[in-house]
Amino acid sequence: EAQVTQNPRYLITVTGKKLTVTCSQNMNHEYMSWYRQDPGLGLRQIYYSMNVEVTDKGDVPEGYKVSRKEKRNFPLILESPSPNQTSLYFCASSLLASGGARSGEQFFGPGTRLTVL
Amino acid sequence: RKEVEQDPGPFNVPEGATVAFNCTYSNSASQSFFWYRQDCRKEPKLLMSVYSSGNEDGRFTAQLNRASQYISLLIRDSKLSDSATYLCVVNTGAGRRALTFGSGTRLQVQP
Repeated sequence: EAQVTQNPRYLITVTGKKLTVTCSQNMNHEYMSWYRQDPGLGLRQIYYSMNVEVTDKGDVPEGYKVSRKEKRNFPLILESPSPNQTSLYFCASSLLASGGARSGEQFFGPGTRLTVL
Repeated sequence: RKEVEQDPGPFNVPEGATVAFNCTYSNSASQSFFWYRQDCRKEPKLLMSVYSSGNEDGRFTAQLNRASQYISLLIRDSKLSDSATYLCVVNTGAGRRALTFGSGTRLQVQP
């Protein structure tokens, strides 16, 4: 089954304790992205990757790191989490294409609900 | 100004009603447009793409007005299962960010 998986699905942690949220896709997609979703603000992009070893900042990258050592995996790292990073996080992947009506379809993971105390 | 703006709702409609959502976008260079559906606490999923000539998928009709920079979604004969948040999504070009999401319009269909 084609899918994007994220782990953990739920996490409660404390300020300053490093954590990693994993993301994996089995569709051989080049493009992967992390979003956070907060009430009233919608989905905001944190980081994205257009291929292995190619990553770049999205709209809200502060406090986050990513890596793309393999095509299928795109972990999100919070080196020193703070309460304002409490949010619902989604990983997504898609084929990388330029233009065209279907070029923007992204497949999302089930989400990770993170609470930082 | 947000790049993609939607009325957050909620839109409360009875079963069988027709309901329409609008969305405006600010970047005139935007190239492609989509509606995604998000159920409560679940991941967004693509509902339909929006083509320049307008397109229909069953009870759903999407339209694009490039001159006025807005996109619409019309749902006919609403079902209880249509209750969800509908996200307007814009692709501003190749690579990079790929998609910009609106914050969504919540629809509640009532029996």
